[in-house]
Amino acid sequence: GENVEQHPSTLSVQEGDSAVIKCTYSDSASNYFPWYKQELGKGPQLIIDIRSNVGEKKDQRIAVTLNKTAKHFSLHITETQPEDSAVYFCAASSGGYQKVTFGTGTKLQVIP
Amino acid sequence: GAVVSQHPSRVICKSGTSVKIECRSLDFQATTMFWYRQFPKKSLMLMATSNEGSKATYEQGVEKDKFLINHASLTLSTLTVTSAHPEDSSFYICSAHPGGSTNEKLFFGSGTQLSVL
Repeated sequence: GENVEQHPSTLSVQEGDSAVIKCTYSDSASNYFPWYKQELGKGPQLIIDIRSNVGEKKDQRIAVTLNKTAKHFSLHITETQPEDSAVYFCAASSGGYQKVTFGTGTKLQVIP
Repeated sequence: GAVVSQHPSRVICKSGTSVKIECRSLDFQATTMFWYRQFPKKSLMLMATSNEGSKATYEQGVEKDKFLINHASLTLSTLTVTSAHPEDSSFYICSAHPGGSTNEKLFFGSGTQLSVL
């Protein structure tokens, strides 16, 4: 089955700096890669996703890059703000919504 | 975006009692819903897939008689933790899929923190 590794497990950045979270996956058939933000005591919220036919996608301060050859993808948050503080999960899927495997999570702390 | 409502957000119960958690898709129909369990500082662990009108599919190691799932309508799935014990204490989350073979997006409920005394 799919295995998704995520690094780092914790990340502290100063407000205004950029944050990068990296994930690797094992199943070359994976073709959909969503990222979720989870605030304390709440469920995950989809923030951005990318399909395997695209190398990069951007939405305001958030961007995701995908390297299919190396089987890794990354989340980039620019101009970080305190409200970006949360746990971020990457995920990979080879079977649409039916087979989504989550990474281990990254706790991001943005220091004002 | 699609909204998934999960209730209750927090429940405390005595050991041996049963607890029901509801997951509703508010503005879309969901033929498939998923139930996860999350331990502190850990990732989401898929427990079961709930299909409207049919039996749920449970992941390996998840007791179906312990965690009863009912998906009686296109907008509601329930998870009942039967004869709860302290080791069942956890954060339970549901997600729902809006449908469409080309749509992979999942939308999550806000989670339920279960504490069994």
